Amino acid sequence: GENVEQHPSTLSVQEGDSAVIKCTYSDSASNYFPWYKQELGKGPQLIIDIRSNVGEKKDQRIAVTLNKTAKHFSLHITETQPEDSAVYFCAAVRFTSGTYKYIFGTGTRLKVLA
Amino acid sequence: NAGVTQTPKFQVLKTGQSMTLQCAQDMNHNSMYWYRQDPGMGLRLIYYSASEGTTDKGEVPNGYNVSRLNKREFSLRLESAAPSQTSVYFCASSVTPTDEKLFFGSGTQLSVL
Repeated sequence: GENVEQHPSTLSVQEGDSAVIKCTYSDSASNYFPWYKQELGKGPQLIIDIRSNVGEKKDQRIAVTLNKTAKHFSLHITETQPEDSAVYFCAAVRFTSGTYKYIFGTGTRLKVLA
Repeated sequence: NAGVTQTPKFQVLKTGQSMTLQCAQDMNHNSMYWYRQDPGMGLRLIYYSASEGTTDKGEVPNGYNVSRLNKREFSLRLESAAPSQTSVYFCASSVTPTDEKLFFGSGTQLSVL
């Protein structure tokens, strides 16, 4: 069935270093790829997204890259800060039956060590 | 502007008990969703409501019922709770079914003993 594999499941980095989280999807009809950040006790919050007709998108310290041929997309966080510590989820999304269908990855717990 | 509000935040049930999780959004969104989050499994869709008056099954609907009470409110009911329903439940909304962006509530942590 359709799935999204997300790696690594946990990631620890020193403050100021970069962090990279990778996702691979199986549904070739997916055309929208959002990333969510979930802080402790809170719901997931959209931080960046990319559509299939774009290869890279950047927003300050956060960037997302997409390789549609290989069905890979990645989240890059530069100059990490303690407040970046959270669980990050990727998703592959396609339009079907009149709505958008989300397949979420299993999450990456990022710890930024001060 | 509160966004998506869920109640309660925590709940403990005994097997066989029933309860309703409440969700309300104040963003005038048309579509609302219920997800469950389990360790190592990401978020899975239980039910959704594309617009007021309509509801549809998602990926894991068994054991649940929903009601779209009005445009703002979408409730999730467990008629006879089972330990397998121990999870964190999230409500979400989007402007329309054809708008990709989802906005999530803060979640309800449910334990069924």
